Amino acid sequence: EIVLTQSPGTLSLSPGERATLSCRASQSVSSSYLAWYQQKPGQAPRLLVYGASSRATGIPDRFSGSESGTDFTLTISRLEPEDFAVYYCQQYGNSPYTFGQGTKLEIK
Amino acid sequence: QVQLVQSGAEVKKPGASVKVSCKASGYTFTSHHINWVRQATGEGLEWMGWMNPNSGNTGYAQKFQGRVTLTRDTSISTAYMELSSLRSEDTAVYYCARLSSGWSSQAGYYYYYGVDVWGQGTTVTVSS
Repeated sequence: EIVLTQSPGTLSLSPGERATLSCRASQSVSSSYLAWYQQKPGQAPRLLVYGASSRATGIPDRFSGSESGTDFTLTISRLEPEDFAVYYCQQYGNSPYTFGQGTKLEIK
Repeated sequence: QVQLVQSGAEVKKPGASVKVSCKASGYTFTSHHINWVRQATGEGLEWMGWMNPNSGNTGYAQKFQGRVTLTRDTSISTAYMELSSLRSEDTAVYYCARLSSGWSSQAGYYYYYGVDVWGQGTTVTVSS
């Protein structure tokens, strides 16, 4: 089973700032099948990025994903008020399709 | 529009079973895998398993092996998740979700585009 470790657990930033969220895999992720999701209270998760770096349909270009080996990064270039939420990474290249434990992005 | 609509909230006693349904609409049900994910209050997302609606093939997280069964009825475009031997720790919101896939001319092979459609969630409460 691939273990995904997200950091930091909580990130406190202000609107307009840049956010960098990390997700480290315990082993190689097949075909770079790594996705990022955003979840707000009381809502289902929303797909932001798939294939490590491809934005999902309708996702603003301030969201971007990248990878370097087993390290994956979600960057939000300029935070908008609606971006404050919890973010999860998930690998879907090898069953079981594990999630990271999440990063809470909160307003400073 | 593409959507997954789940059955309503359930309250069960310890030791019982629960079966949650997930009806797909707006796309070809057999063309994309269905995943099941759960989330306890205040906790993270926990992946439970996947099902290929076309073949009926399934895969489960080790934690749920022997307790969870994923099935489907293609005639009504509906997937099911049954969880048995319920305990209080199974109290959570259960989501079905579509793992989108298709031929990618860019990649040159059949490609998986991430879990792009989620059901609204079904709250399962296990309490004596």
